[in-house]
Amino acid sequence: GENVEQHPSTLSVQEGDSAVIKCTYSDSASNYFPWYKQELGKRPQLIIDIRSNVGEKKDQRIAVTLNKTAKHFSLHITETQPEDSAVYFCAAINNAGNMLTFGGGTRLMVKP
Amino acid sequence: EAGVAQSPRYKIIEKRQSVAFWCNPISGHATLYWYQQILGQGPKLLIQFQNNGVVDDSQLPKDRFSAERLKGVDSTLKIQPAKLEDSAVYLCASSFGILYGYTFGSGTRLTVV
Repeated sequence: GENVEQHPSTLSVQEGDSAVIKCTYSDSASNYFPWYKQELGKRPQLIIDIRSNVGEKKDQRIAVTLNKTAKHFSLHITETQPEDSAVYFCAAINNAGNMLTFGGGTRLMVKP
Repeated sequence: EAGVAQSPRYKIIEKRQSVAFWCNPISGHATLYWYQQILGQGPKLLIQFQNNGVVDDSQLPKDRFSAERLKGVDSTLKIQPAKLEDSAVYLCASSFGILYGYTFGSGTRLTVV
């Protein structure tokens, strides 16, 4: 089945700096890669996703890049703010195309 | 639109007891998932339903866990008997289609003592 690795497990940045979280996946047939943000005690919420027919997608301060050849994708957050502090999960669709496999998560801490 | 509803929010039980969780997905979402999230880890799929049929339950510990989705809407997940290592947040998610992503419920935090 699909295997998703996520790095780093924790990331601390100063407010205003950029943050980058990286994920690799194992199944070359995967074609959908969402990112979820989970604040303490709350549900994971979809913040951005990318499909395999594009290499980059942006939404205001967040962007995701995908390298299908290398089987890795990354989340980029620019001009970080304290409210960006949360755990971020990447995910990839499985080879049957019907469920998501999640990475282990990255705890992002934005220091004011 | 209303979100995915789950209950209870919290549950504390002793080991070897049984417990049940309930999920009501977003109206019109045919696919429903139960995930287990252990503290500090990513969600791990337990079971996936398409309408009232099971699509994948390969990671469900069937000796103690069971789940059903009667009439293709609400779903219940049961653990009997519970073990200490079952302490986790149990997340229900539903989806209109996988390429639209999941919507998660608030989860049930289970503590087994």
